[in-house]
Amino acid sequence: DAGVTQSPTHLIKTRGQHVTLRCSPISGHKSVSWYQQVLGQGPQFIFQYYEKEERGRGNFPDRFSARQFPNYSSELNVNALLLGDSALYLCASSPMGVLGNEQFFGPGTRLTVL
Amino acid sequence: AQRVTQPEKLLSVFKGAPVELKCNYSYSGSPELFWYVQYSRQRLQLLLRHISRESIKGFTADLNKGETSFHLKKPFAQEEDSAMYYCALCWPGTYKYIFGTGTRLKVLA
Repeated sequence: DAGVTQSPTHLIKTRGQHVTLRCSPISGHKSVSWYQQVLGQGPQFIFQYYEKEERGRGNFPDRFSARQFPNYSSELNVNALLLGDSALYLCASSPMGVLGNEQFFGPGTRLTVL
Repeated sequence: AQRVTQPEKLLSVFKGAPVELKCNYSYSGSPELFWYVQYSRQRLQLLLRHISRESIKGFTADLNKGETSFHLKKPFAQEEDSAMYYCALCWPGTYKYIFGTGTRLKVLA
């Protein structure tokens, strides 16, 4: 298993555009979480999905949305991009949507908004 | 507001010296606490969590509810311990994780 995979690796967008980031969890993992990591900061929680339902949401505006598909892969969508959305976006999967479960992180997608 | 604080951005120690990476949290309940590590050019990965009370790669961390701290310790640092370390907590009942800003550990030869 290649572990958690994310695509694309890098992305450059301009202000006002829309972006979709993709994540494939480890086989057998049903929970996916998304994080935003700005340079010099720790990962900041955006969403958690388990069995295709949103189970947790961080303090992000409604421009951020996500979904999980029947095969447990997930998409993160960001509308009306702002310069401040430039960051590394991390996806993490875990076997169950249980609190305290170990999260397995992907390599991230580096988003640059110009 | 709930918060995880790692006061040191950078910690440099010599090989063989003891290491302590500090983590304090503000939360009134009983959170789950973790340490994650990111080695150079690798992914973020779990190092240890307080509920399992185990020692990984010689590191231990004790939850001190009175001081709301979860400091990471190792008696003798090795060069391969050089990495970025993040303390994280998870709220019971919310599925929401908070990470600290991280401490870069440099172990000098």
